[in-house]
Amino acid sequence: QSALTQPASVSGSPGQSITISCTGTSSDVGGYDYVSWFQQHPGKAPELMIYEVTNRPSGVPDRFSGSKSANTASLTISGLQAEDEADYYCSSYTHSNTWVFGGGTKVTVL
Amino acid sequence: QVQLVESGGGVVQPGRSLRLSCTASGFTFTAYPMHWVRQAPGKGLEWLAVLSHDGNTYYYADSVKGRFTISRDNSKNTLYLHINTLRPEDTAVYYCARGGVPSVTIDSWGQGAPVTVSS
Repeated sequence: QSALTQPASVSGSPGQSITISCTGTSSDVGGYDYVSWFQQHPGKAPELMIYEVTNRPSGVPDRFSGSKSANTASLTISGLQAEDEADYYCSSYTHSNTWVFGGGTKVTVL
Repeated sequence: QVQLVESGGGVVQPGRSLRLSCTASGFTFTAYPMHWVRQAPGKGLEWLAVLSHDGNTYYYADSVKGRFTISRDNSKNTLYLHINTLRPEDTAVYYCARGGVPSVTIDSWGQGAPVTVSS
């Protein structure tokens, strides 16, 4: 159950687009379309942003989108806004009926 | 709206045991699987365990298997996490979270219960 691999940090200017990658294996990310993305502001609980690779829960802005290719999933934030500055975590269901998170990515809005 | 409220955290001596509780409201508790996730200070999220809606099926992260026990009382809309033989590295905020139905995800989180293991 090794953690999924995410970049430690990503930054962008307001209005730009950024992409966060999340790399696993064929036993988790590559084997199932059950990748989720969570946003966490400092001192707060995580919040679901994307589920099952591409789906947005109601209330999540459509500038957040997800995709997957082989063992790597991605979260793209288009039209970056100041309130998007937060930590982002990916997670995946695994072949062991467990879940695994990525190490997290700090997004900075310049 | 979905509400998950954790309790039972605090400062605990190494080697002792602890039971965390999570009281759910705003949804049909008996219909959803439930998870525990923790976050050590300044670190990322670590998934710990999941329990099926009826309490009959459970899975644990390898890192906590044998020392952590997840359970639920559907008559009280409450999820539990029992931790044996606490270690300093168990110091973290412990989150209760709801599993998705029918989607396979974690769709709602509690505010977290801080646990500090220290003598």
